Amino acid sequence: GAVVSQHPSWVICKSGTSVKIECRSLDFQATTMFWYRQFPKQSLMLMATSNEGSKATYEQGVEKDKFLINHASLTLSTLTVTSAHPEDSSFYICRTYRTAYEQYFGPGTRLTVT
Amino acid sequence: GENVEQHPSTLSVQEGDSAVIKCTYSDSASNYFPWYKQELGKGPQLIIDIRSNVGEKKDQRIAVTLNKTAKHFSLHITETQPEDSAVYFCAASNNAGNMLTFGGGTRLMVKP
Repeated sequence: GAVVSQHPSWVICKSGTSVKIECRSLDFQATTMFWYRQFPKQSLMLMATSNEGSKATYEQGVEKDKFLINHASLTLSTLTVTSAHPEDSSFYICRTYRTAYEQYFGPGTRLTVT
Repeated sequence: GENVEQHPSTLSVQEGDSAVIKCTYSDSASNYFPWYKQELGKGPQLIIDIRSNVGEKKDQRIAVTLNKTAKHFSLHITETQPEDSAVYFCAASNNAGNMLTFGGGTRLMVKP
């Protein structure tokens, strides 16, 4: 069964509103969560890395004030897209791991900003 | 940092034929190479992986080969079926912080 869940699977929001995406590890403690965005027909682009209880590390070019990441517990990490705009429309995916050889992706969230 | 290149970007084969996707990496410290299949609207799913102490690994119709000297690894799918149609990503990791560097992806289309 699923090891990592992601919610919602798809969301439509109006420009200027904020959207929160949740990623949960279901049967293990996820110390680290990676957040990706993926545009159509493109590869996964790492946005940020979060560790439980500490601030996320953002990749170059990713606005940390726009993409707020919270990793307050070992089973839940959230990504909030603040003041969303149409160009933020994308597929957002989380990834975590149990060991170096057990990497798990969430099922993804399709965000459409109108 | 690590750089992974993947070829081809698109691949069309006839059902029953074989498909081969190739990746090269730059960091000689990389020691773990997973392959993921991503269907439309879904997250990537691991289909096979290989560690640096092995040259080849096979799982039914899927096999992966690794050449550490040349720094390249390949995915081989035999007897392709329409349900194999998807985007495939290779990745490389040196286990440092569990970072995965992805290739650009290959869109595989299997024609019935």
